[in-house]
Amino acid sequence: DAKTTQPPSMDCAEGRAANLPCNHSTISGNEYVYWYRQIHSQGPQYIIHGLKNNETNEMASLIITEDRKSSTLILPHATLRDTAVYYCIVRVGRNSGYALNFGKGTSLLVTP
Amino acid sequence: KAGVTQTPRYLIKTRGQQVTLSCSPISGHRSVSWYQQTPGQGLQFLFEYFSETQRNKGNFPGRFSGRQFSNSRSEMNVSTLELGDSALYLCASSSAPRGRGETQYFGPGTRLLVL
Repeated sequence: DAKTTQPPSMDCAEGRAANLPCNHSTISGNEYVYWYRQIHSQGPQYIIHGLKNNETNEMASLIITEDRKSSTLILPHATLRDTAVYYCIVRVGRNSGYALNFGKGTSLLVTP
Repeated sequence: KAGVTQTPRYLIKTRGQQVTLSCSPISGHRSVSWYQQTPGQGLQFLFEYFSETQRNKGNFPGRFSGRQFSNSRSEMNVSTLELGDSALYLCASSSAPRGRGETQYFGPGTRLLVL
């Protein structure tokens, strides 16, 4: 199962773009990249996911490299409410059912 | 649509007791997964249920069990509680029966404290 590597922490100024990197060099061809975030003591919140192409929704953009070995989550205009732990996950489990392997994530601090 | 709901939100038990936690998935979702979150181990997968059948299981002892009902609601049970079972227990639901790209949506969790 593919594993992910993320920096343990990052800072970002409010209003600026937050770019959170993730390395997943052993990803398989049919595995998706998911991003979740967790604000302290709350349940994880789904942000976005993708397979090969870049994706964008109302929360963020996901940029996946052509070789799929890494990706970047972009929060275009970070706010204080975006302070959270961000998890990059590659879906594990191939046949029936699956689990999300959360890892340690990146703790993003958005400062005024 | 209402989100995933979990009850109770907070629970205090003593060692040796058992506990049952409940999860109601998003309407129409048939898959329910359970996770345990502790400061030391992070978020760890417990098990997943689909159509009342356990479809996937994490690496937890047999004291941890679960079930799913015909309406997709799920319960998890922990017997003979240990201090180390103190954690945030999270439930997540998804719509797709299997395959690619299904998204899990999480509830707020049940915080269990074992004394």
